[in-house]
Formats: sequence, structure tokens, C-alpha cells
Amino acid sequence: EAGVAQSPRYKIIEKRQSVAFWCNPISGHATLYWYQQILGQGPKLLIQFQNNGVVDDSQLPKDRFSAERLKGVDSTLKIQPAKLEDSAVYLCASSPRTSGGALYEQFFGPGTRLTVL
Amino acid sequence: AQSVTQLDSQVPVFEEAPVELRCNYSSSVSVYLFWYVQYPNQGLQLLLKYLSGSTLVESINGFEAEFNKSQTSFHLRKPSVHISDTAEYFCAVSRQGGSEKLVFGKGTKLTVNP
Repeated sequence: EAGVAQSPRYKIIEKRQSVAFWCNPISGHATLYWYQQILGQGPKLLIQFQNNGVVDDSQLPKDRFSAERLKGVDSTLKIQPAKLEDSAVYLCASSPRTSGGALYEQFFGPGTRLTVL
Repeated sequence: AQSVTQLDSQVPVFEEAPVELRCNYSSSVSVYLFWYVQYPNQGLQLLLKYLSGSTLVESINGFEAEFNKSQTSFHLRKPSVHISDTAEYFCAVSRQGGSEKLVFGKGTKLTVNP
């Protein structure tokens, strides 16, 4: 089965510019996650979707970050305007979990490496 | 809230030597525990997990980890490493009964030298 797809793989922008990342989860997976991985740190959850609803966005900097998951399938994460500290790898993951179900494995995409100059 | 501490940021070892990557966690509620591996230029892959039952869990490529509730630890071990085990290893926890959000440690870079 195809894995989690992300694009672009690399992006270089200047501060104050805008950028968008795209994620296509594994077919049929209800839950989608966006993580931020800063160099030297572990991934940190930014936002979690269950189908097209938001489950957790407590660590999303909402003044500059936004995310959507139209029709409960693929998702877009946007940063506007970008800051130097946003330089990181942005990871998308999906899992087949539905509400009330057992814990399922999260499958990760290859990530998008963002460099803000 | 949960937190994870991986004490060693880098662990160099020689091929065929044993290795232990340490992981300690903090949580006021019961958690699930995971080890993920990240090979260069690749996404994270689940290596093994502890959900319940036997405290010793094993992966298909020879790694094992033991859940120690009293010491709040989930150390990863392999008796004999290969060059191909060179990667970054992340320990993570997820609150039982929660949203399944993973909280990761900072990672340990394992380098296996010939």
C-alpha cells in the first residue's frame, strides 16, 4: 500500500514570506497529524485531525500557522508570515483510528524540510 | 502532561557490540510507550511499542525494550548491532485514553562503526 505522501520535500523562503505544505495520508486513514521537528529535537505535534475535524491544535501558533483537511482526506499546512524559528522539518502522519477504537500505529511521511532565511 | 527524556544524544558503537539507548518518561497517568527509528532522509518508522501485557517487547530486527513502571523507563537494547542500524532513535509516549498524541524525546543518534 502507498505510504503517506508529502510535498514539497524541500523549501527555502525568506522571513515574512508565506509557504504551504501538502500531505496525502494513507487511503482510508481517519486521523491525520502534523508535527514540527526542529533540528536536534524530537517531533512536536502541531495539529491533529479526525476526518475533517480538529482534535488537538493546542500547540499550533495560530497567529501564523493554519491547517485544513478538506473532505477528510489530504491536508495543507500554511505558515504566513514565516519567521526564522520556523526552520524545521514538517512531518505528516496518519493512522486508521476511529473514535473509541484501539490505539493504532501512526505512519509518517518523509517530511518537508523548510529553511527560512 | 507527559514528557520524555533521552539522556544520550549520540551513541557510537562498533559493529557486533551490544547497545542500550535510554529512555525515561514522566506522566501522572498511564501511558503507551513507543520507539521510532529515523534513517537518513526518511520518515519515522515504528520500531516497537508497549501497550499492555508482557513488559518486554521485541522488534523483528533484533531490538527489544522493557517497560519498567517503577523506574518510569523504556530502554531500547540490541545484543549485537549492524552497520545498517545507524539511525536516529526516538522514544515517545501517548496518554492512555487520550487523543493518541505522541510526545517525543529529543532522539539518540546511533552510529555503528566497522
